[in-house]
Amino acid sequence: AQKITQTQPGMFVQEKEAVTLDCTYDTSDPSYGLFWYKQPSSGEMIFLIYQGSYDQQNATEGRYSLNFQKARKSANLVISASQLGDSAMYFCAMREASLGYSTLTFGKGTMLLVSP
Amino acid sequence: SAVISQKPSRDICQRGTSLTIQCQVDSQVTMMFWYRQQPGQSLTLIATANQGSEATYESGFVIDKFPISRPNLTFSTLTVSNMSPEDSSIYLCSLGSYNEQFFGPGTRLTVL
Repeated sequence: AQKITQTQPGMFVQEKEAVTLDCTYDTSDPSYGLFWYKQPSSGEMIFLIYQGSYDQQNATEGRYSLNFQKARKSANLVISASQLGDSAMYFCAMREASLGYSTLTFGKGTMLLVSP
Repeated sequence: SAVISQKPSRDICQRGTSLTIQCQVDSQVTMMFWYRQQPGQSLTLIATANQGSEATYESGFVIDKFPISRPNLTFSTLTVSNMSPEDSSIYLCSLGSYNEQFFGPGTRLTVL
């Protein structure tokens, strides 16, 4: 079974609108962390936001927020007020304590296109 | 966050040859990681490199194909040996702690 599932291969949004990128995960480890990355066409991986399994509040970083629903094992990324520069590939990833925090497991990604 | 640089940024190589990718960090780190991203795919961990010990390789990756050096706490190299077109990928070095993980700019390798 896939550990990280991103069901949206592509998403379209108009500039200034909010968009939610879906991510569900599968783990039996009570201690884990969830990450979101942005990969523009240049290929670099840009760290956006982190949510720990024991964090009580949803993580936020500027226009990025993480809608963490632990019981449903989902960690959706919300981008508010989309900008043209947000067009990129977005990856959800998970780290599990049982693996010694040495491995990030990635989903297949969602391509986001922001139109004017 | 640490600044991570990689050399080369991209290369085009002939099959059967080898390429060594360098990763430099501006601060001392214990663990460094090497990832591969094949075209249109997600990232896959190749190995974990600790200074002073042999690298630990993930399933499907072997030292003969991807030898790694870690001579000090700020530097690592990954060699892609005896390359074939299937090795065409972006190779990224990475480091981090439990709640953050940063990546270098990547090396885009094309094997003809």
